[in-house]
Amino acid sequence: DTAVSQTPKYLVTQMGNDKSIKCEQNLGHDTMYWYKQDSKKFLKIMFSYNNKELIINETVPNRFSPKSPDKAHLNLHINSLELGDSAVYFCASSQAKTQYFGPGTRLLVL
Amino acid sequence: GQQVMQIPQYQHVQEGEDFTTYCNSSTTLSNIQWYKQRPGGHPVFLIQLVKSGEVKKQKRLTFQFGEAKKNSSLHITATQTTDVGTYFCAGFWDSGGSNYKLTFGKGTLLTVNP
Repeated sequence: DTAVSQTPKYLVTQMGNDKSIKCEQNLGHDTMYWYKQDSKKFLKIMFSYNNKELIINETVPNRFSPKSPDKAHLNLHINSLELGDSAVYFCASSQAKTQYFGPGTRLLVL
Repeated sequence: GQQVMQIPQYQHVQEGEDFTTYCNSSTTLSNIQWYKQRPGGHPVFLIQLVKSGEVKKQKRLTFQFGEAKKNSSLHITATQTTDVGTYFCAGFWDSGGSNYKLTFGKGTLLTVNP
């Protein structure tokens, strides 16, 4: 059983398109996150939800919109994709501050 | 904003040599965590340090938290090729109430020559 899963694993798309990434956790955790990891491996937090409520919203373009339909799911929708959005996007869930990461979604914008 | 500085950025060693990565914060941390990310993989939690001066060991890995809770280190004794990956520290500052935000260092990429 995968604790934190993401779909899709790979996403190749054209500039200007809109895309979504989905995340699910079966750990029963209350808090979920989206991170962006760039080509230099820097892990930057984007958003966090606690029990479906947005609690962290870092300086992220408003083309990025997270949605949490329930505490086991956190999705990320990206409008008007740009070249600079190419990165690996990791979902994570946490309990007692420890983060459990999903396998990542490798996004390439052409 | 609060940051953790991590050095070195890269470290290449011969198998059997030791390796250390260091993290530093300008302000007192509530706790610090360490993660390992294998090439092509995702970060995996290794350990959490909470107490001033804490030292924890996991087989060949030794983790330390400074007395002032502003710095931490991860030391690997006698590296093996399976140790290859990027090691991240992640700091947590207690700002009162609920704060769920970890701030990651930039990571140290360890490569091991067999």
